[in-house]
Amino acid sequence: NAGVTQTPKFQVLKTGQSMTLQCAQDMNHNSMYWYRQDPGMGLRLIYYSASEGTTDKGEVPNGYNVSRLNKREFSLRLESAAPSQTSVYFCASSEPGYAGNTIYFGEGSWLTVV
Amino acid sequence: SQKIEQNSEALNIQEGKTATLTCNYTNYSPAYLQWYRQDPGRGPVFLLLIRENEKEKRKERLKVTFDTTLKQSLFHITASQPADSATYLCALKKSSGDKLTFGTGTRLAVRP
Repeated sequence: NAGVTQTPKFQVLKTGQSMTLQCAQDMNHNSMYWYRQDPGMGLRLIYYSASEGTTDKGEVPNGYNVSRLNKREFSLRLESAAPSQTSVYFCASSEPGYAGNTIYFGEGSWLTVV
Repeated sequence: SQKIEQNSEALNIQEGKTATLTCNYTNYSPAYLQWYRQDPGRGPVFLLLIRENEKEKRKERLKVTFDTTLKQSLFHITASQPADSATYLCALKKSSGDKLTFGTGTRLAVRP
């Protein structure tokens, strides 16, 4: 039982390049999320998907797109990377209920845009 | 929007002592407040959840309190160990349908 798996772990991009961060969860959760974490800023929600087939913007969606491919997979795409997108990205999933929507995180993807 | 304040300065304590971390928030009173642990280079891991109608929650050496009047949660680790060294994040949720808002975290260092 791997939980939330995201790839790649590390990536260096040049400004203007595009890339997709992949995420998959094996907990049969309906909700999935993409966060970015920057020093002094905490975790900020980029996009989320409440269920298969739906996606919604979070706090900082500009410059990103997402795809909820199926219940397991939720990808994050940077169409034209900018240095401001240098960050650590976390994919997460959750199942609402008694636990108040506890979130399970992946191990993170370190992205540097030069 | 909700603003969450956690001490940005690291908390350094001696092994065996109780560590107390603070989470203050402004604006609305959240329905749920959660605490997560994050180790360097890893994703956050859920520790405890406390609801607005609960004053205190315990799990082994961990204790969380929730004071909606002070708009504050305290996170305690008793008999602290070097293995407890990590960054601790608090997160708030306005209601069951809302999304979690995270604080920036406080780093705890427990020295032997």
